[in-house]
Amino acid sequence: RKEVEQDPGPFNVPEGATVAFNCTYSNSASQSFFWYRQDCRKEPKLLMSVYSSGNEDGRFTAQLNRASQYISLLIRDSKLSDSATYLCVVMTGGSYIPTFGRGTSLIVHP
Amino acid sequence: EPEVTQTPSHQVTQMGQEVILRCVPISNHLYFYWYRQILGQKVEFLVSFYNNEISEKSEIFDDQFSVERPDGSNFTLKIRSTKLEDSAMYFCASSADGGATSYGYTFGSGTRLTVV
Repeated sequence: RKEVEQDPGPFNVPEGATVAFNCTYSNSASQSFFWYRQDCRKEPKLLMSVYSSGNEDGRFTAQLNRASQYISLLIRDSKLSDSATYLCVVMTGGSYIPTFGRGTSLIVHP
Repeated sequence: EPEVTQTPSHQVTQMGQEVILRCVPISNHLYFYWYRQILGQKVEFLVSFYNNEISEKSEIFDDQFSVERPDGSNFTLKIRSTKLEDSAMYFCASSADGGATSYGYTFGSGTRLTVV
């Protein structure tokens, strides 16, 4: 079983749409969770951390469900500039090593 | 905003040659990492470094690879006797706390290694 799984997509949505991605993780000892954004041939950049209580940053909302071992990212009012690959990153307690999902590709079209 | 710096941005090398990829992590960070990403594939963990030693390494990180932090600022990845399949983007990352809090990990812009 893969440690961190994501639907690779692509998700193809019009501007203004709301889109949601899920990510599942296999290790129940996972401690920290992040969403990163990666543009083509660029480095991953931190989008947001994911807190147990859920958190929101502008148009982006992240949720964590420890019981079902998944995290989610919701993007409201999609912009063309949101087109990118969204990477789910999980750190398992004690290892301090981030494990990446393969990413979900988002394409926002006019 | 503090950043992780990697050089060179692109390296072309002949098969069998040795390459050294360089990274300058953020100055007050304590955890350092090397990752690689083959074109179109996922970001793969190679090695982590903490307290001046390797803390963990993946199956990819075999005897062909080594890391050093020679002077307290640079963090290098050496690949001996490169193979065609080593062609990838190599990312260096650093973290203040290993990802234990919301600060996460900061990545450099990467070195694209092409082995011919």
